[in-house]
Amino acid sequence: GAGVSQTPSNKVTEKGKYVELRCDPISGHTALYWYRQSLGQGPEFLIYFQGTGAADDSGLPNDRFFAVRPEGSVSTLKIQRTERGDSAVYLCASSSDRTHNEQFFGPGTRLTVL
Amino acid sequence: AQSVSQHNHHVILSEAASLELGCNYSYGGTVNLFWYVQYPGQHLQLLLKYFSGDPLVKGIKGFEAEFIKSKFSFNLRKPSVQWSDTAEYFCAVTAEYSSASKIIFGSGTRLSIRP
Repeated sequence: GAGVSQTPSNKVTEKGKYVELRCDPISGHTALYWYRQSLGQGPEFLIYFQGTGAADDSGLPNDRFFAVRPEGSVSTLKIQRTERGDSAVYLCASSSDRTHNEQFFGPGTRLTVL
Repeated sequence: AQSVSQHNHHVILSEAASLELGCNYSYGGTVNLFWYVQYPGQHLQLLLKYFSGDPLVKGIKGFEAEFIKSKFSFNLRKPSVQWSDTAEYFCAVTAEYSSASKIIFGSGTRLSIRP
C-alpha cells in the first residue's frame, strides 16, 4: 500500500485480557517502529525492528509487552494481561535507508482497557 | 538520556499572526531534529527535518525552523498562520544519522487558530 496501515483502528478490551495489534509497513521499508501515545503526551518509543530482529526494545515497559516481525514486513505488538494503564494510541512507523530513515507513521490503534 | 522540551502546551493565535514554538533538547552528541504535525483526526506527518548543513530549514506549508547548536534549540516559526494550521505540533530528536534509530518526542504544543 501507499502508507503504513494499522489494524484494528480501535480495540476495547477488559482488564486481564490479551490483545494483538498489527502493523503493515510501507513496502520495502526495512525498519519498523512501535510507539505509544497517551492522552496529552508525545509518542513514546517502545521497540524497533531492522528486518526480522528487534534492534532496540528498550522502550517496552515490562514483560507483558512483546512484538514480532517474523518475515521482516508485518509486525504484531502483543500485550498480555492488559491493565487500564495500557490504554493509549499505539503508533507504528516505518523507514528506509533511501529516505534517510525518515519515519512514516500509521494512523494508530486506539486501545481502551476497561 | 535524551529528552525534548516544548515550552508551550497550548498556543492560541489569530489568523495572520506570527508563530514561534519553542523546542529544546538534551543530548551531547550529533542529533537529527524534526517537527511533526498532527492535524485533527489525522496521523503524524513530518513538517520539516534537520540532518546537517544550513541550520535554517524550510518545511511544508510555509513553516521553517532554526537549529541553534549552542542553545540546544530547534524552534518552529511561521510568519503568518492560517486557520488550517490548527493542530498538535511535536518536536523530536534522534541521536544517529547513519542507521535507523528511535525518535524521542516532546510532549507537544496544541495550536489553535481563531478565524
